[in-house]
Amino acid sequence: DTGVSQDPRHKITKRGQNVTFRCDPISEHNRLYWYRQTLGQGPEFLTYFQNEAQLEKSRLLSDRFSAERPKGSFSTLEIQRTEQGDSAMYLCASIRGGNTEAFFGQGTRLTVV
Amino acid sequence: GEDVEQSLFLSVREGDSSVINCTYTDSSSTYLYWYKQEPGAGLQLLTYIFSNMDMKQDQRLTVLLNKKDKHLSLRIADTQTGDSAIYFCAESIDTASKLTFGTGTRLQVTL
Repeated sequence: DTGVSQDPRHKITKRGQNVTFRCDPISEHNRLYWYRQTLGQGPEFLTYFQNEAQLEKSRLLSDRFSAERPKGSFSTLEIQRTEQGDSAMYLCASIRGGNTEAFFGQGTRLTVV
Repeated sequence: GEDVEQSLFLSVREGDSSVINCTYTDSSSTYLYWYKQEPGAGLQLLTYIFSNMDMKQDQRLTVLLNKKDKHLSLRIADTQTGDSAIYFCAESIDTASKLTFGTGTRLQVTL
């Protein structure tokens, strides 16, 4: 498989629980991005890694959100103490340095009840 | 801050041309993109244009950029039912930077 893979595809959780999502980028893509998309809106940038270094974080990324890319390959996004407002599609994208096209995964749809 | 705006909905008949419009505010935008999103699928890059270009054509797709007015458009010739999707305009200042997306335009193609 040569695409960006995200797991799980769907997650339903109770308010206050912690959730973790995983993204496996395309092999050799050194840049990895997380976006959040709510219904009827375009994706909004959350954070960005170059290799294992987290280079930029959006103001949308509150203290309850943390992202890691420990070995410069896959990445995880954790949300602690989930709130109903966290319900959204979480998208991961990867890109090879110097290239223009970012490849997106199919996303993880989070529903907080 | 950056802002990208699009109209929400467009309906066209099969075989007609579709024109989807986008305006952006960031004058430092260097790359402008059009993405397609189908239900249950990820975002697919359709085409992009550098800010020093006025036009780019790729098969049925034509992108026009008016940098002075910060206006971008996507024309789809001979629109097919398979083109029904949400189309997002996006901009970035370089290839490493984050993408800023518009709210998306839902294209409905009728028979």
